[in-house]
Amino acid sequence: GEDVEQSLFLSVREGDSSVINCTYTDSSSTYLYWYKQEPGAGLQLLTYIFSNMDMKQDQRLTVLLNKKDKHLSLRIADTQTGDSAIYFCAGGSQGNLIFGKGTKLSVKP
Amino acid sequence: DVKVTQSSRYLVKRTGEKVFLECVQDMDHENMFWYRQDPGLGLRLIYFSYDVKMKEKGDIPEGYSVSREKKERFSLILESASTNQTSMYLCASSPLPGTEAFFGQGTRLTVV
Repeated sequence: GEDVEQSLFLSVREGDSSVINCTYTDSSSTYLYWYKQEPGAGLQLLTYIFSNMDMKQDQRLTVLLNKKDKHLSLRIADTQTGDSAIYFCAGGSQGNLIFGKGTKLSVKP
Repeated sequence: DVKVTQSSRYLVKRTGEKVFLECVQDMDHENMFWYRQDPGLGLRLIYFSYDVKMKEKGDIPEGYSVSREKKERFSLILESASTNQTSMYLCASSPLPGTEAFFGQGTRLTVV
């Protein structure tokens, strides 16, 4: 079945760039999403990329999509302590969204 | 501003109790979902609904049921709560299958 995989943890220092990676199996996904979950809260949509795009930039966030390798990444520039959270990638086409297990980003001062 | 509202942030129930988790969305979305989230397991889909009075099993429906009598409201029911149902429960809605999902703030349920 469809699967989305992410590494579970990432630790960076404040001011560095963070790169969170995701691989997926469903090549028919029309949109691919990144969600952020702060402690004790629900998921909030951070950004998304349409499947015919290679890159999308939104302020400190850059999303890269390699359709050939089915690889999606989220880069956060100048990472701040407020970026500490769990980040989920998700993809979907005709069916329900399939979520990765989430990457916990820890930002050290 | 789009909104998905879950009735409780925190809930403590006793083993064997019947538990209702309520979710309401104000976006006129057709699709609604219930997930549970556990450390290391990510989000697991319990049930979803594509229309009023319609429901489909997700990946882990055992021990749960749902009700969708009105378009804006999707309820998750634990018929007889057990300690292994202690978890964070997240409700979501989306306009179309496979499109952006909007999440509620979550309900942390503890069964003692």
